[in-house]
Amino acid sequence: DQQVKQNSPSLSVQEGRISILNCDYTNSMFDYFLWYKKYPAEGPTFLISISSIKDKNEDGRFTVFLNKSAKHLSLHIVPSQPGDSAVYFCAASAWYGGSQGNLIFGKGTKLSVKP
Amino acid sequence: DAGVIQSPRHEVTEMGQEVTLRCKPISGHDYLFWYRQTMMRGLELLIYFNNNVPIDDSGMPEDRFSAKMPNASFSTLKIQPSEPRDSAVYFCASSLEGRAGTRLNQPQHFGDGTRLSIL
Repeated sequence: DQQVKQNSPSLSVQEGRISILNCDYTNSMFDYFLWYKKYPAEGPTFLISISSIKDKNEDGRFTVFLNKSAKHLSLHIVPSQPGDSAVYFCAASAWYGGSQGNLIFGKGTKLSVKP
Repeated sequence: DAGVIQSPRHEVTEMGQEVTLRCKPISGHDYLFWYRQTMMRGLELLIYFNNNVPIDDSGMPEDRFSAKMPNASFSTLKIQPSEPRDSAVYFCASSLEGRAGTRLNQPQHFGDGTRLSIL
């Protein structure tokens, strides 16, 4: 039973346009959410995170939005660049017993940005 | 700064052989994680350590898998005996301690993985 779901395995976007990657979660205890980017033959690289006390966090071209009532988060990339082509993983964790819990990952969305 | 370093990058071996994967976390990090990535199941946590002590090994698939962290700068994941279904990419990650008082979370930093093929 997947607690973190990325329902779109792939997404294709034109260079310069907006990329929107979506993620849904089921565990209401999750309070920390992250996006990772992964190139082939490399490990996932941390991109941006958001705590549940916020509904938006921005870092340059990357913005993450959190809708707690819908248990949904999204990553917006504006403008998209060919170098953004990668697999994007959504991850979530919760605090248990006073310590940070494990990260639960979605299965990833492969983004292709076409020149 | 050096990131998380894993070795070997690739390992091909015959079933029944012992396999040892190695990881050097980022200096100063308190947590070390071992993950396995497969097409079917995605990224799964196998085990994690806090200050060299194993905290949660519930993700370790079977007794054939074992992990150690003899010091703050080194960890191993061992499979003995290996089977073809163990073929996957194994990642190691490390992070700083999340601060409980502020619930300040810390992201995990990943190595480039070991691609393991068991024939």
